[in-house]
Amino acid sequence: EDQVTQSPEALRLQEGESSSLNCSYTVSGLRGLFWYRQDPGKGPEFLFTLYSAGEEKEKERLKATLTKKESFLHITAPKPEDSATYLCAVNYGGSQGNLIFGKGTKLSVKP
Amino acid sequence: DAGVTQSPTHLIKTRGQQVTLRCSPKSGHDTVSWYQQALGQGPQFIFQYYEEEERQRGNFPDRFSGHQFPNYSSELNVNALLLGDSALYLCASSLGQGPYNEQFFGPGTRLTVL
Repeated sequence: EDQVTQSPEALRLQEGESSSLNCSYTVSGLRGLFWYRQDPGKGPEFLFTLYSAGEEKEKERLKATLTKKESFLHITAPKPEDSATYLCAVNYGGSQGNLIFGKGTKLSVKP
Repeated sequence: DAGVTQSPTHLIKTRGQQVTLRCSPKSGHDTVSWYQQALGQGPQFIFQYYEEEERQRGNFPDRFSGHQFPNYSSELNVNALLLGDSALYLCASSLGQGPYNEQFFGPGTRLTVL
């Protein structure tokens, strides 16, 4: 069973059409949930870290939230340059210092 | 401020060969982790180095080995390459090996095994 599940696998939006990406996790003892953005053929770019339920963080058009079982990445009025794969990863008691990643959501924003 | 750098960018090898990938961590970071990312998948943890020792290891065979140097840079070695080893290999660095520390990734090395 996957410990980190991201949905949807792919999302197509029109420019300006807001939406949310979901990351659900089944691990216990969460120590941190991380969001990354990855462009094709490149390494993941760090976006946010969330540590406790109720926490929220914002950066430009992106806002990340965390509950006890899932995290959402809200994208407000997206632009074509927001097109990328968004990866969610968790660090928990059993993983020690390493990250457990989901498979990602591929976002396409059309002008 | 230099970020995480990796070399080479691309590499083509044949089955049975050996390969060495290199990583220089972000300035001020002392911990290096290696991940393997297959096409369409999220990165999978290989191992982590701190103070020149392997501290944690994921579910990868002994064909995968590594090293960390006194300047914190690191190498990933893969022996007896298999077709299934074709992937993007990512290096990530952090300050310390604790679970709360944010990991910053390099651009990756694309390995193709023919």
